[in-house]
Amino acid sequence: ETGVTQSPTHLIKTRGQQVTLRCSSQSGHNTVSWYQQALGQGPQFIFQYYREEENGRGNFPPRFSGLQFPNYSSELNVNALELDDSALYLCASRDRQGNYEQYFGPGTRLTVT
Amino acid sequence: QQQVKQSPQSLIVQKGGISIINCAYENTAFDYFPWYQQFPGKGPALLIAIRPDVSEKKEGRFTISFNKSAKQFSLHIMDSQPGDSATYFCAATFRYYKLSFGAGTTVTVRA
Repeated sequence: ETGVTQSPTHLIKTRGQQVTLRCSSQSGHNTVSWYQQALGQGPQFIFQYYREEENGRGNFPPRFSGLQFPNYSSELNVNALELDDSALYLCASRDRQGNYEQYFGPGTRLTVT
Repeated sequence: QQQVKQSPQSLIVQKGGISIINCAYENTAFDYFPWYQQFPGKGPALLIAIRPDVSEKKEGRFTISFNKSAKQFSLHIMDSQPGDSATYFCAATFRYYKLSFGAGTTVTVRA
């Protein structure tokens, strides 16, 4: 186990709704990244947070937003859900000053109908 | 655009055989190349990683071969076991920022 947890495990939403996914990082990990993994594909980088500020974003629209909290937890928010948002959402944490390995959580499976 | 291309999409190997997965990249700024193993219902887990100043790295039954001039790297799984059946992703990153993943290879090891 990586020590990174995500909730919920599965989620079903309707197109146009909003969703919040949660991640709890390893203690001491000050950097968290979120990835979207569509079925049968590799994870795609959404954004990264360091010390509660976004410091990098992939090719995702602004309706994907996030928050990072001082207690090593973070959130991914997606507004105006589209069918193509159906995917496994992964968070990964690491210690920016230490080991460069990113530790992934088990993911949240989001289905948009 | 996909920055890391991975092949094959899937492979089947007999127990005890060798699995070989290949990846190619374009961005010469990449400075860290990890391989991840993912089981169904789980997140990716780091398997082995290499930096571009090394041509080969071995950890147990897993070996990365790296060809900087060709911008290619590969994962060899020796003495494949049924427990190795999983999806494998190559990835690349610059200064440990975002990971750019390949599309994945599903490995099935037949007993």
